[in-house]
Amino acid sequence: GESVGLHLPTLSVQEGDNSIINCAYSNSASDYFIWYKQESGKGPQFIIDIRSNMDKRQGQRVTVLLNKTVKHLSLQIAATQPGDSAVYFCAESTTGGGNKLTFGTGTQLKVEL
Amino acid sequence: NAGVMQNPRHLVRRRGQEARLRCSPMKGHSHVYWYRQLPEEGLKFMVYLQKENIIDESGMPKERFSAEFPKEGPSILRIQQVVRGDSAAYFCASSPTGADTIYFGEGSWLTVV
Repeated sequence: GESVGLHLPTLSVQEGDNSIINCAYSNSASDYFIWYKQESGKGPQFIIDIRSNMDKRQGQRVTVLLNKTVKHLSLQIAATQPGDSAVYFCAESTTGGGNKLTFGTGTQLKVEL
Repeated sequence: NAGVMQNPRHLVRRRGQEARLRCSPMKGHSHVYWYRQLPEEGLKFMVYLQKENIIDESGMPKERFSAEFPKEGPSILRIQQVVRGDSAAYFCASSPTGADTIYFGEGSWLTVV
């Protein structure tokens, strides 16, 4: 079936460095993508989303890049901070919005001091 | 503006008992979603509801699980005759329409003993 997956299960970065978390998706009909951050024992927290008619979107310290040709999504975090340590999930849908999201398995981001 | 409210946060049930999880969406949101997360896995879609209507229940197990979102009051996810495999975190999310970003609550952790 269709799936969304992450290349790296764990990513360790030094505080202040930039982080890049990658995600591959296989459903070419996906038209909406979203990144969530999840800290232990908490619910997923919205970071940034992007629709398929865009290839880049920026937020505060975060940028999402979408490459539909190779079905690849990435999340870039600038000047990574200890508070960024969490599991990051990418998710996609074919409905143009957030209903019925398909989640990847997650990447653990560890920020080293 | 309160976020998505879920209760109870933690619930312990013996095998064969019933579990009821409640979710109050964000103010102004009429679309509710339930997701399940097994340990160290991504979230899996279960059901999408609007007031008094089930829009998509393709992720719900065929037996023992049911969901409702009545005209008044919170959405309820009900699990009858729980088994150990039902132990998981259950997350509710809401959105103003079905084509928007969805925002998650802090989850209800069900443990079946």
